[in-house]
Parts: sequence; structure tokens; C-alpha cells
Amino acid sequence: NAGVTQTPKFQVLKTGQSMTLQCAQDMNHEYMSWYRQDPGMGLRLIHYSVGAGITDQGEVPNGYNVSRSTTEDFPLRLLSAAPSQTSVYFCASRPRASGPRGTQYFGPGTRLTVL
Amino acid sequence: GEDVEQSLFLSVREGDSSVINCTYTDSSSTYLYWYKQEPGAGLQLLTYIFSNMDMKQDQRLTVLLNKKDKHLSLRIADTQTGDSAIYFCAESPQGGGYNKLIFGAGTRLAVHP
Repeated sequence: NAGVTQTPKFQVLKTGQSMTLQCAQDMNHEYMSWYRQDPGMGLRLIHYSVGAGITDQGEVPNGYNVSRSTTEDFPLRLLSAAPSQTSVYFCASRPRASGPRGTQYFGPGTRLTVL
Repeated sequence: GEDVEQSLFLSVREGDSSVINCTYTDSSSTYLYWYKQEPGAGLQLLTYIFSNMDMKQDQRLTVLLNKKDKHLSLRIADTQTGDSAIYFCAESPQGGGYNKLIFGAGTRLAVHP
């Protein structure tokens, strides 16, 4: 199985453009999350989902939308990109009954630059 | 508030031991974690320790937890060039919901011959 996959790997946007970052997992995990990683900072949680049809906000949700129509997919939408959203974005998943909540599986990341 | 701090850079010679340190502020954290991030890749969970333990060993890795001082360390014995990566410390505070993790900024470990 492929684990957690993310597309694209790299993306450059202009201010005001919209786009969707894709995330998919083939491990039948209930829980999925989106994080952003900025230089000199740890990962920060943007949005998460505990199952199909259920999403909630994390620490830094402004400017992002998510939906979860299937167990496998958890896309992240930027509605109107801003330079402050330049970052590396990671998707992660874990099964519901995996014990400590830190035992997550991360995708390889999407590096986004907003000009 | 919740905060996790790590030094940003560590350089060691191949074959020596590496010790990466981390301090955290939330005494209610139930688990503490070490993740490894290789260039261009996502984070990979290396190991974790439950807050009622003071040491955990896993092959070349030793995790020490000083709960009184809120200090966590990761020791890598016989450090190899393949250990070069960024290491993140993270805590999961109690009552943080299903998925709340607080990450440090990461320590970049450079291993030289």
C-alpha cells in the first residue's frame, strides 16, 4: 500500500488565486489532519477529521477549508491565497484505536509559495 | 501556555553519541514524542514515552524524561550519517482533543566523518 500521498509536491500561486491540495490514504484510517510547517516553527494543526462527513478546526484554520466525503480523501482548499500561506503542508492520518494520538502517518508534503 | 522548545542545531562526529534536548511547559501531557524528518520527506515517528516513565530504550535510541523539570532528551548511540535529519519533539496535552500535538521547532542534526 502507498500510505499517505499528497499532490502536488510543489506549487506556486499568485495572491488571490485558489487551489486544492490533495491528500489520500489507503490504510482505512478514520482520523486525518492537515498541518503547516514554517521555518523555525513546529508543525501547526490547520483542520482535522475524525471520519467521513466530520471535520473540525485546528489551531490555524483561517483561510482554509476542508471536506471529507470519503474515508480515503481529505482535500485542503485555499480560497484566496495570501503570501502568509507560503509554507510546507503535511497531511497525516491514524486509525481511531491506535493508542497515543501522536502515532500518526505523515505524507511527504506539498511546498506552496504564494507570490 | 503550551510551548515546546529545542535547540536548533547539533553537529556530531560519526560514531559518537548524539543527545537532543527538549523542554515543554504542559505538565498534563500524557505522552511525549520524537519524530524524524529527512530532507524532502514527511515526519516519521521514532519513539514515544508515557509520562509516568522516566526512560525508554529502543535499539540505538534512549529517551529520558525528567517530569519535574519538564525535560525530555533523545540519545542516539553510534550516530551514523543516515541519522542526519531534523528531529522534532512533541507533546500531547491532556484535554487537547483527539489530535492536538504541540511540536517544537526541530533540531537539525548534522553528522560528519
